[in-house]
Order: sequence, then structure tokens, then C-alpha cells
Amino acid sequence: EVQLVESGGGLVQPGGSLRLSCAASGFTFSSYDMHWVRRATGKGLEWVSTIGTAGDTSYAGSVKGRFTISRENAKNSLYLQMNSLRAGDTAVYYCARVGSYRIFDYWGQGTLVTVSS
Amino acid sequence: SYDLTQPPSVSVSPGQTASITCSGDKLGDKYACWYRQKPGQSPVVVIYQDNLRPSGIPERFSGSNSGNTATLTISGTQAMDEADYYCQAWDSSTAVFGGGTKLTVL
Repeated sequence: EVQLVESGGGLVQPGGSLRLSCAASGFTFSSYDMHWVRRATGKGLEWVSTIGTAGDTSYAGSVKGRFTISRENAKNSLYLQMNSLRAGDTAVYYCARVGSYRIFDYWGQGTLVTVSS
Repeated sequence: SYDLTQPPSVSVSPGQTASITCSGDKLGDKYACWYRQKPGQSPVVVIYQDNLRPSGIPERFSGSNSGNTATLTISGTQAMDEADYYCQAWDSSTAVFGGGTKLTVL
């Protein structure tokens, strides 16, 4: 059974940092592109970042230069290092797998990040 | 950057047909997906490649995509279909989501 489990969310002050993790199981992690998607309260889904099987990365303009996505295939883990956090980054962050037909076919349960003083 | 536009809300009576639109420049040249998200749950794909249903998604869900508009249609809408719906397309390696539509079944 495919499972994605996020961790690392919490309360952080503006300007602070946080590292999210996503533990994957039930599939060959190294063979899939992985993504982070967030949803702020009262707002819609927003794509944040992706890392391909070859380690190639891409970021949304709103987080570029502040967030860094990485993966550790030996540990079946995906990460999101978030620096210079702003109130606007407050959201539930989901890790998601892109499978066949470029579908987000599996999502984690999400981890809440709150940026507030 | 590429943008997708959805109506913020759509209301439908039980048993009737709900249509949710998604507009983007030459969207018909891309594949559109639709995701459903219920409160407290993670998103679930209900339509992919414009009009294909994953296993487990009821036949009442259908989709189309042409020109600048993709449409999700739910026939015989049920109370359990009340949720937020998002269209999504790819702009190279970037995923683009529409702003979401809250479907209310009155």
C-alpha cells in the first residue's frame, strides 16, 4: 500500500526556518517525481515545488530562493527546507506523488505550518 | 506564468447536473485533471486526461476540454459530492491549479 507521511510542521516566527519531511512507502520511491503542494486556510491548492527522479528541481515563484526541495532515495524520503518564512506561507503542506498520466495519484495527509509572531 | 480560472462556487440541487468550468489560454492544447477535496481530507483525482475516470470514481463524473475551457460535469449530483473541486494542468514541469470551486448541493 502506497503511503506518504509528512512531518515537521509547526509554529514558527516570521523570518524563521522549518524543514518538512515526507516518508514514502509501498512503492519504488526513486522512480517517481515528487511534489509539495500547499493549501492556505480559505484558499485553494497551490503547487510549491517538484523534484524529479534525476534530482532536477522547480519552484513556484512565491517560494523561489527561500525554499529548497530535496530527496534521499536511500531513506525513501522527501524534504522541503523553508527559510525566510512569511505569514503568507501559513498553510497545510502536502507531499504528493505524480504517477502515470502525470496524475497526482497519492497524497500525504498534510502537515500544518503556521508563521506567526 | 500560466493561470487557470474557476468560478468560486457552484450550487446544485440533488439529482441535477452540476458543471464546473476551468479557463486558461489554449487549455484545450493541454490535458486537464480534476481533483476533489473534502474538508479534512487530501485531494483525490476524479478526472484525468480531460475525460478519463480513475477506478472507483462513479460514472456520473465526466469531463471535457476544448479551446480555452475544461469542464467537469457531475450528473445526478448527490449530497456526498459536496466538496471543493480543482482543475489542474501542466505548464512544462510546473503544476498549475485553478483557484477551486466550492460545490454546494442544496
